[in-house]
Amino acid sequence: AQSVTQPDIHITVSEGASLELRCNYSYGATPYLFWYVQSPGQGLQLLLKYFSGDTLVQGIKGFEAEFKRSQSSFNLRKPSVHWSDAAEYFCAVGSVGSSNTGKLIFGQGTTLQVKP
Amino acid sequence: DAGVTQSPTHLIKTRGQQVTLRCSPKSGHDTVSWYQQALGQGPQFIFQYYEEEERQRGNFPDRFSGHQFPNYSSELNVNALLLGDSALYLCASSPWATDTQYFGPGTRLTVL
Repeated sequence: AQSVTQPDIHITVSEGASLELRCNYSYGATPYLFWYVQSPGQGLQLLLKYFSGDTLVQGIKGFEAEFKRSQSSFNLRKPSVHWSDAAEYFCAVGSVGSSNTGKLIFGQGTTLQVKP
Repeated sequence: DAGVTQSPTHLIKTRGQQVTLRCSPKSGHDTVSWYQQALGQGPQFIFQYYEEEERQRGNFPDRFSGHQFPNYSSELNVNALLLGDSALYLCASSPWATDTQYFGPGTRLTVL
């Protein structure tokens, strides 16, 4: 079955500290992986995506993520967190050019709280 | 360049009623997907429209239906509303068979 697991429901970090949000996926085909961020009451904003090539991808707002096929993981990282990063983060998996094109499967999300 | 827009922003209905939500895709996009996001959960795929046809459907009952117009905008209709239909409904657009979906701000539906 296709699924995405975000093991951490809530994470609290101090402003300026580093951040890593975990994501594990189960997907039969070659996965396309995404991280989205959602501020309270808002839609989803794309942070970064991975399709192929270099397994370390850079995104907006200083975020990066690393694809590890052997671990079926796509963890999101940021070296120094800002108070404005407090939000909900979603990992998603999808495919392109197949019968499942367009259907994204999301994890349950990780809520990030930033302490001053 | 306008992004994905949705209307209305908020909606309150009672059980058994019907509701229609609207979405205009980002300029240049011809594919629209709809997602339901219950409180505290990740979005769940409802269905996708391209060339005015439903191309894919998630695990949602027939009470959920949609439509796409020639200008690529889309509607989501939900009949016989249940309390469990209360959620944020997100619309996403993309060019057909491409990678990235761009999401609108959502419509918050409350069923009383």
